[in-house]
Amino acid sequence: KAGVTQTPRYLIKTRGQQVTLSCSPISGHRSVSWYQQTPGQGLQFLFEYFSETQRNKGNFPGRFSGRQFSNSRSEMNVSTLELGDSALYLCASSFQGGTLNSPLHFGNGTRLTVT
Amino acid sequence: DQQVKQNSPSLSVQEGRISILNCDYTNSMFDYFLWYKKYPAEGPTFLISISSIKDKNEDGRFTVFLNKSAKHLSLHIVPSQPGDSAVYFCAASGGGGYQKVTFGTGTKLQVIP
Repeated sequence: KAGVTQTPRYLIKTRGQQVTLSCSPISGHRSVSWYQQTPGQGLQFLFEYFSETQRNKGNFPGRFSGRQFSNSRSEMNVSTLELGDSALYLCASSFQGGTLNSPLHFGNGTRLTVT
Repeated sequence: DQQVKQNSPSLSVQEGRISILNCDYTNSMFDYFLWYKKYPAEGPTFLISISSIKDKNEDGRFTVFLNKSAKHLSLHIVPSQPGDSAVYFCAASGGGGYQKVTFGTGTKLQVIP
């Protein structure tokens, strides 16, 4: 069974630009969550989508947005990039959204560098 | 507000000995807890979980202990192996409905051969 696929693996952007990251979940998984990982901050929750609906949202500014398509694939968009947005962005899929019997399965992430 | 805390950024243990990774939480609504392991350049992988109605869960060399009154959980790895060297994240969720999974800041474990 194929795992969670994130593209691209690496991105370099300049301040003020926008970026779109893509995530293909494990087949059959309807929940996709996005996390930002920075040194010393652990994994910060961005948002979660289930069946094309945003079900949960973290404490990030409106520049961070996402969507989910009918095939469960998800995209995350960051507009007006800032230097502080440089991070590893991780996507995770699950059947139900990371419950006890449905843990999150992570992709290998997209490393975004903003210069 | 860091609801899940891992106060030790790093830990070094000799091969064959026990590794104990600790995690504290503040939200009493959490009703299940998970540990993830992360190697460099890879995403985290699920390791073991525990429900708040239990105080221990074991899976091979890995055991998670939960102390609800102290809002504390720990992961024991016995015996530790060099391949266990990774960053370990504690995570928690619950409180009804489909809540987000909250992660700690991680503990980097180094197992010395």
